[in-house]
Amino acid sequence: AQSVSQHNHHVILSEAASLELGCNYSYGGTVNLFWYVQYPGQHLQLLLKYFSGDPLVKGIKGFEAEFIKSKFSFNLRKPSVQWSDTAEYFCAVNANYGQNFVFGPGTRLSVLP
Amino acid sequence: DAMVIQNPRYQVTQFGKPVTLSCSQTLNHNVMYWYQQKSSQAPKLLFHYYDKDFNNEADTPDNFQSRRPNTSFCFLDIRSPGLGDAAMYLCATSRERLGQPQHFGDGTRLSIL
Repeated sequence: AQSVSQHNHHVILSEAASLELGCNYSYGGTVNLFWYVQYPGQHLQLLLKYFSGDPLVKGIKGFEAEFIKSKFSFNLRKPSVQWSDTAEYFCAVNANYGQNFVFGPGTRLSVLP
Repeated sequence: DAMVIQNPRYQVTQFGKPVTLSCSQTLNHNVMYWYQQKSSQAPKLLFHYYDKDFNNEADTPDNFQSRRPNTSFCFLDIRSPGLGDAAMYLCATSRERLGQPQHFGDGTRLSIL
């Protein structure tokens, strides 16, 4: 069965610091990869997705992620975080053969002003 | 404009009293999903509909049922809520099951008295 792990449960950064959130998945076949963000009290929103092609994908709000197939990883990055980036971030994987999303456990990001 | 609408935002029910949560979509997507999300945890898929085809997750309790009377609406019925069912319930849609992002509603927070 596919599984998704996220390296950090809670990350605390100061504004303007760089961000990298780790995501690894267990499935060896073709996958579709997603990062979702959940701001306090709001619904899950899609940040970015990878289906195929350029392994470096750019999303909304200055986020990007890099798919490294050999490492089964899809890490999320942002060069300079803002206080408004405080949220929960979920990595999700959808294997091409399977039907459902599998979400990682989430990483809470707190950005200090 | 909201595309996946969940009602109500907050629902309080009594232990053992049946409750129904509602989800509607304006996207005309084929697939509708119900997730349960407890505090600081990843969303957990309960079941999904592909058109009228119902797909239950193996570990979803029998207490949870769903109905999809038409493309736009999907309901989550909890027949006899227990204290452990208190959670946020998320509805999501996608155009297809594979290779498509899911669009989430704001969720319904269910409390059990």
